[in-house]
Amino acid sequence: SAVISQKPSRDICQRGTSLTIQCQVDSQVTMMFWYRQQPGQSLTLIATANQGSEATYESGFVIDKFPISRPNLTFSTLTVSNMSPEDSSIYLCSVEDRGTGGEKLFFGSGTQLSVL
Amino acid sequence: RKEVEQDPGPFNVPEGATVAFNCTYSNSASQSFFWYRQDCRKEPKLLMSVYSSGNEDGRFTAQLNRASQYISLLIRDSKLSDSATYLCVVLSGSARQLTFGSGTQLTVLP
Repeated sequence: SAVISQKPSRDICQRGTSLTIQCQVDSQVTMMFWYRQQPGQSLTLIATANQGSEATYESGFVIDKFPISRPNLTFSTLTVSNMSPEDSSIYLCSVEDRGTGGEKLFFGSGTQLSVL
Repeated sequence: RKEVEQDPGPFNVPEGATVAFNCTYSNSASQSFFWYRQDCRKEPKLLMSVYSSGNEDGRFTAQLNRASQYISLLIRDSKLSDSATYLCVVLSGSARQLTFGSGTQLTVLP
């Protein structure tokens, strides 16, 4: 299974600032996914990050607010821009593993973001 | 109707009890199904995939009923360490998008 390192694990930020979250995978993967999990809620897909092309954003999420980089097959970043308290959430990166036993989704350890 | 619905619980059960969770999905063409476990303030971790024939992994049994569009998770002989939120996840569509249920919270009591 893929091993994913995500950082920072948590941060407390001021309104109006930006935070960049990094995700490093121990193997090359075609697609990386960024999710948000708001308090007491389930996971919502923000965007799919493909190497060499722009990320694909889900309804309700835009590039200006959540710019994503995918410079190579093992790394991606998500930036939460111009933060407001409503952005307080857990942000998770994930990768898909289509090995034996079928496809599985593995997650980074998450970034717990609090915006004051 | 939500794409994936779960009873949020909480389920509070004594150690050793058997507990079952159900999850319904709306897209009849959904392709794959999973149960994930999420501990408080941690990332979700894959518990098991769910196959049409049903599958078992130790104390955990997962079932899929395509006709009624639901999946289930049965936990036998509950342990304190089983306390967590269990997420139902469904893979659907040509874009192969994963949809997460809102989770069922389980607390196993001593």
